[in-house]
Amino acid sequence: GENVEQHPSTLSVQEGDSAVIKCTYSDSASNYFPWYKQELGKRPQLIIDIRSNVGEKKDQRIAVTLNKTAKHFSLHITETQPEDSAVYFCAAIKGGSEKLVFGKGTKLTVNP
Amino acid sequence: NAGVTQTPKFQVLKTGQSMTLQCAQDMNHNSMYWYRQDPGMGLRLIYYSASEGTTDKGEVPNGYNVSRLNKREFSLRLESAAPSQTSVYFCASGAGNAEAFFGQGTRLTVV
Repeated sequence: GENVEQHPSTLSVQEGDSAVIKCTYSDSASNYFPWYKQELGKRPQLIIDIRSNVGEKKDQRIAVTLNKTAKHFSLHITETQPEDSAVYFCAAIKGGSEKLVFGKGTKLTVNP
Repeated sequence: NAGVTQTPKFQVLKTGQSMTLQCAQDMNHNSMYWYRQDPGMGLRLIYYSASEGTTDKGEVPNGYNVSRLNKREFSLRLESAAPSQTSVYFCASGAGNAEAFFGQGTRLTVV
């Protein structure tokens, strides 16, 4: 079945710097890759997603890139702000199976 | 809309007790999920249901059972709770290759 690896497990940056979180997946048939943000004590919420027919997607300060050949995708956050501090999860799903599998998460800390 | 509603929010069980976590969604989603979240372990899939009437095992199904009662409701049952099942449980629902929405979580402690 699908396996999603996520790195790093923790990431500390200075306010204004960029942050990059990387994920790899095992099932080449996976075709949808969402990213979720979870603030302390809250539920995970979608921040951006990408489908396998697209290589990159941007939404203001966040972007996601997908390399299907290498089976990895990355989250990029530019001009980080203290409110970006949270745990970020990547996930993958194969259309038709509906099995949504998550990585282990990255705790991002943005220092003022 | 309420989205995804889980009950209860908190629960303390004694080892060996049973309980059912309830989840309901009002977004007409086909897919529903149960995850457990432990420190450093991320969100691990327990069971999922791709459509009404079907359920499948996830990554960590042992010790749990599920029921997809109808399109709206997906329950998780612990038949004989163990301390290793102390965790935060999240229910989620989604529409295939699109955003999954999470409930507010259930914090379960087994003593």
